[in-house]
Amino acid sequence: DVKVTQSSRYLVKRTGEKVFLECVQDMDHENMFWYRQDPGLGLRLIYFSYDVKMKEKGDIPEGYSVSREKKERFSLILESASTNQTSMYLCASSSVLVDRPNTEAFFGQGTRLTVV
Amino acid sequence: RKEVEQDPGPFNVPEGATVAFNCTYSNSASQSFFWYRQDCRKEPKLLMSVYSSGNEDGRFTAQLNRASQYISLLIRDSKLSDSATYLCVVNIGNYGQNFVFGPGTRLSVLP
Repeated sequence: DVKVTQSSRYLVKRTGEKVFLECVQDMDHENMFWYRQDPGLGLRLIYFSYDVKMKEKGDIPEGYSVSREKKERFSLILESASTNQTSMYLCASSSVLVDRPNTEAFFGQGTRLTVV
Repeated sequence: RKEVEQDPGPFNVPEGATVAFNCTYSNSASQSFFWYRQDCRKEPKLLMSVYSSGNEDGRFTAQLNRASQYISLLIRDSKLSDSATYLCVVNIGNYGQNFVFGPGTRLSVLP
């Protein structure tokens, strides 16, 4: 079974704090993603990475950065947390299989972040 | 126009009913297609991939019409446990790197 594990289920941080959200996958997937999910807005892509040390901006990268130093780990960093970053954060991973194009994304359990 | 659109919902149906969800996507370069299920305050989980010829998994049937850029999900004999939000997902990237999610349609199956 593919496992994507996020370091925290619930997190409360203060405005201005630097926040690290960690994600680890155990299936040697090339692609890893960070999304946030807000009521009425669905899942929005923040960043994704297709290889170690590689990253691409998603739809809403402002206020976030990422790090992928090892293939299995993808970290999301909120440089200076703000109240509008209160959200559910979801990490996902997927493989690259040329002979099997319908490879799905597997999600972690989510981190519900509250910034006060 | 949103890239992936779904029925707004919510759908409230009695147990045993048949319910159909519709989804349209705007990018004709979309490569692969999925239905995910998301329970309240949980992560999305794959329900089924959607293949060009259509596919069935028990009570669930998915259809894809590439010409119309339309995907559907049919649930027969609804169970209480089917209550969830159903997300239509397309992947535009050649290497599985660009998943685009629809807003979801909430289903409540009532006793």
